Amino acid sequence: GAGVSQSPSNKVTEKGKDVELRCDPISGHTALYWYRQSLGQGLEFLIYFQGNSAPDKSGLPSDRFSAERTGGSVSTLTIQRTQQEDSAVYLCASSYTSGSLNEQYFGPGTRLTVT
Amino acid sequence: LAKTTQPISMDSYEGQEVNITCSHNNIATNDYITWYQQFPSQGPRFIIQGYKTKVTNEVASLFIPADRKSSTLSLPRVSLSDTAVYYCLVGARYSGGGADGLTFGKGTHLIIQP
Repeated sequence: GAGVSQSPSNKVTEKGKDVELRCDPISGHTALYWYRQSLGQGLEFLIYFQGNSAPDKSGLPSDRFSAERTGGSVSTLTIQRTQQEDSAVYLCASSYTSGSLNEQYFGPGTRLTVT
Repeated sequence: LAKTTQPISMDSYEGQEVNITCSHNNIATNDYITWYQQFPSQGPRFIIQGYKTKVTNEVASLFIPADRKSSTLSLPRVSLSDTAVYYCLVGARYSGGGADGLTFGKGTHLIIQP
């Protein structure tokens, strides 16, 4: 079946602009996660959605970052007033059941470059 | 959150068995240990998960001693295609929505040579 998809695959934006990154999780997966990976670094947790519960936003680095998940499926990560340090690969993952360590299926990521 | 420590990099040769050890001294009773593999320009991929003793699947084995303060991922007879970054995560399997265990760290960069 289809895996996790993300769009766009690449995004170049100017400093100060807003960007929206999209994630389509695997159908039926109740949990959805966003991570950020800077060049040569590990994954940095950003936000976690589980069903209809309030999301865990503990990893968002600043109030310029926000995310929503509509209808328990598609999620959008929004970065307002982008800064050069926001340049990274943004990865989305989903998992079938609740709980943070159930097998996560990752998308290919969106490479964001802020110039 | 249980903190994990892994070697930054390891080298080996095709056909060898590779063991990557992860330290997690403050692992909690409810915590599981999970390993992911990441190839360049791809998202991580789940390899194996365990709680104690030994777990084996078609890809790898996971050895966890009785005190659970460390774990070892064992890759049998590696090939060039096993060159990747390997991440060890520790956290509750059913945390009910928390971010426990969602710290991937920098992982171990495994390089397999011919």
